[in-house]
Order: sequence, then structure tokens, then C-alpha cells
Amino acid sequence: DAKTTQPTSMDCAEGRAANLPCNHSTISGNEYVYWYRQIHSQGPQYIIHGLKNNETNEMASLIITEDRKSSTLILPHATLRDTAVYYCIVRPLSSASKIIFGSGTRLSIRP
Amino acid sequence: DTGVSQDPRHKITKRGQNVTFRCDPISEHNRLYWYRQTLGQGPEFLTYFQNEAQLEKSRLLSDRFSAERPKGSFSTLEIQRTEQGDSAMYLCASSLGTSGEYSGNTIYFGEGSWLTVV
Repeated sequence: DAKTTQPTSMDCAEGRAANLPCNHSTISGNEYVYWYRQIHSQGPQYIIHGLKNNETNEMASLIITEDRKSSTLILPHATLRDTAVYYCIVRPLSSASKIIFGSGTRLSIRP
Repeated sequence: DTGVSQDPRHKITKRGQNVTFRCDPISEHNRLYWYRQTLGQGPEFLTYFQNEAQLEKSRLLSDRFSAERPKGSFSTLEIQRTEQGDSAMYLCASSLGTSGEYSGNTIYFGEGSWLTVV
């Protein structure tokens, strides 16, 4: 799996958009970008994934650059419950490949 | 819609004892994964099953650890002769694994089983 680079920590005001960046400059053509988050003492929660087009679901939006070397996860209206560690992962879709977690970004939402 | 279920959620055991964790994957998911997570670290891969076949094991899975998935449904992770260094959260995850399906390989995690070895 390609390596990803994320900031160690970020903070965001409640109600504002939280933009979490991720660099994956060595991503291969068949690798998708996945985002998970882990709230304290809970299992990782799947958020969203994409290949090259921007994606949106009820939780977040995923913006992938045209060269696919970086992406941004957007939480449009952050709440205190969004405080968590966010993991950006790249892995092939069409395989049983395991997820390899990095250190992630610790996002703190301030009131 | 039931997610990945793990039991027990918390276990305290004395050093040297054996412990077993159970994981029930999402219904019809044929792939099942075990991870371990210690405080302040990201989850680390331990092993993976496709149906009942254990297809990959990490070097982290010492000979005191054994995982099974006898009927391709639920799985157990047993730790023999526990050590204090085994204290961690053990995570189970599953995926549908349909080849070529866009969302079929998304991996979903359970809430984890916390192990404390005293």
C-alpha cells in the first residue's frame, strides 16, 4: 500500500468546515483513497472513499487532486462529536488487501 | 443493520491465563480481519480470513496467538499464556469482498475488545 502523510494534529471551531489534508504522492492507478476516523476508545469508522472523482456522502466530502497525489477530507459543519483521529489510507479496491494505518490526524473541535 | 460484533468488550486477566475473543462479522461478509491497537498508536494488522481460510498472518501474531474461523462465519482469537505486553484493544473487521464491486471491499470495524493483563 502507498504511504500517506497527514498533519499530526489540527483544530477547528465548531460549526466551521474542517479540512483535513493528505499527501499520497506514490499512489498507484488502481489504488483508492479511503478515510476512516476513530473516536476515543471506539473502533475505526469508515467515512468515505474515492478513486479520482470528488465524492460526497452524508458524513463528508472527499476532494482528490487531478494528479491524485493528494486529497482533502471536508467535514462541512464540524461538531464536538467530530473530535477524533482521522486516517487517510490508500489501497487497491479489487483485492482483499488489508488496511495499513498510519498515525492519522488528531482533529480537535473547539466550542 | 447490525455491524461487526465483538465479545467480550472488556477483559481483565492475570498474566499467564488464556483468553479468547469472538467476532461476528456483518452478515454475508466473507472476509474477516483482526487488528491490535495499543494506546496512542494506530491499529496494527494481525491476520485475515477469506471464508474459513486464513490467508495472511502478520509477524505480530506470535505462536501464543491463534485465530480461527471454522465455518466461515464468526471468528475467534485466542491468546495463550498472556503477558502484560498483550494489553491492547483487539479489533475485528469484515468486508463483503465481491470482486469488482465498487463498495464491496470497504472494510468495516467492530468496537473492539479491550484486554488488560495484570
